Order: sequence, then structure tokens, then C-alpha cells
Amino acid sequence: EPEVTQTPSHQVTQMGQEVILRCVPISNHLYFYWYRQILGQKVEFLVSFYNNEISEKSEIFDDQFSVERPDGSNFTLKIRSTKLEDSAMYFCASSDVASGDKYFGPGTRLLVL
Amino acid sequence: QKEVEQDPGPLSVPEGAIVSLNCTYSNSAFQYFMWYRQYSRKGPELLMYTYSSGNKEDGRFTAQVDKSSKYISLFIRDSQPSDSATYLCAMSARGGSEKLVFGKGTKLTVNP
Repeated sequence: EPEVTQTPSHQVTQMGQEVILRCVPISNHLYFYWYRQILGQKVEFLVSFYNNEISEKSEIFDDQFSVERPDGSNFTLKIRSTKLEDSAMYFCASSDVASGDKYFGPGTRLLVL
Repeated sequence: QKEVEQDPGPLSVPEGAIVSLNCTYSNSAFQYFMWYRQYSRKGPELLMYTYSSGNKEDGRFTAQVDKSSKYISLFIRDSQPSDSATYLCAMSARGGSEKLVFGKGTKLTVNP
């Protein structure tokens, strides 16, 4: 069964450093998303991406965040200058057009020290 | 009032029990309702997807939506130890690619 994959599974970084989280969505899906889950809190929407542009973003997704689809398979989330409060599990998801069912990857656990 | 509220539990039941999980919401625009299951250290996995009010059944799982009360439920019949996970409700107004708003999740343990 096709699945969303994410790398790395864990990332530790120093405050102020840039990180890039990578995702490979399901191959025939056209919509891509990033969500995050701070420990003990809700899963929160960050951004959705379609046709090579952002279609929706939350107030969390400020200028420190950016997304890119650098090739036909990868979808990345970049955090330019990480803060302590960026420590969270980051989930990538994808969906096709017809059903909109969102399939989530296993997540990248980001720890900012 | 929070947009989506879900009792975080934890909830512990014996194997074979009927489990009832619930969420309430405040945004009357929500029309699409989902239940996700999340095992430890994994991403959310879509279990059930319901549009508007009514019931939907899939094997041992039944999802109910009562839009008049802004209340959704997931029932698990004949619960199994493999059902032990965190269950997240999620919803959106327009469905499709629109963002999901999640509840906090209820941690369920089914004891053999």
C-alpha cells in the first residue's frame, strides 16, 4: 500500500540554525500539507500546497517557514532560524483531488536546543 | 470556547468492551468529520470519514455525527488490544484539501 515517507525521523538542532524536513508524498497525490504536534498538544495545521504554490497557511506559518517541491517526488519544509518553541513532531500529509482523504507520514521529531 | 474539544482520557477498557469516543465543536460551518488513529511514534491514520449528520459503519467501527448538538462519536465494538492507540477527531468546513482542525486525542488502552 502506498504511503507517505518522511526523513529524518529525528532531528536535533541548535536554536537559530536552519533545518529542512523532507517528505515523499504518495505518488499520484496532488495536494501536500505540513502539520505539527507539540508534545501533549493538538495536531495543528501549518500549510497546504498545490500546483507549486501555497494554497492555505496558518498564522503559525510565518516568514521563518517555507515549503518547496524541488522535484517530482519530494516536498520539503524549511525553518530558517529555529526557536525553542519549534520543537515538535512535524507531519507531512498528502491527498488526491477526488476524495480529499489526507494520508499522514510517520513524522519527524524536531528538538531545538 | 475551543474550536474542537476532546476528552484526552486516558481510557482503559477490557477486551471485548464497547468503546465510545466523543468530540464537541463550536464552529457550525464544519461539515466533514474524521476519526484518525495514532499509534505511538506514528502518524495519524484515517479510520472514518463522514459528511454532515448521520451514522457510518465500517466493521467494528461506527461514526456518528449530530450537527444539531455539534457532537460526534466513534464507537468501537468488540474492542481488541490492537485497538490500543490515541484516537483523534478532526473536522473541516469544505472537505477536500481544506485544513483539518483536530481534537487533542483520546488515549485508549484495551486490556487483554
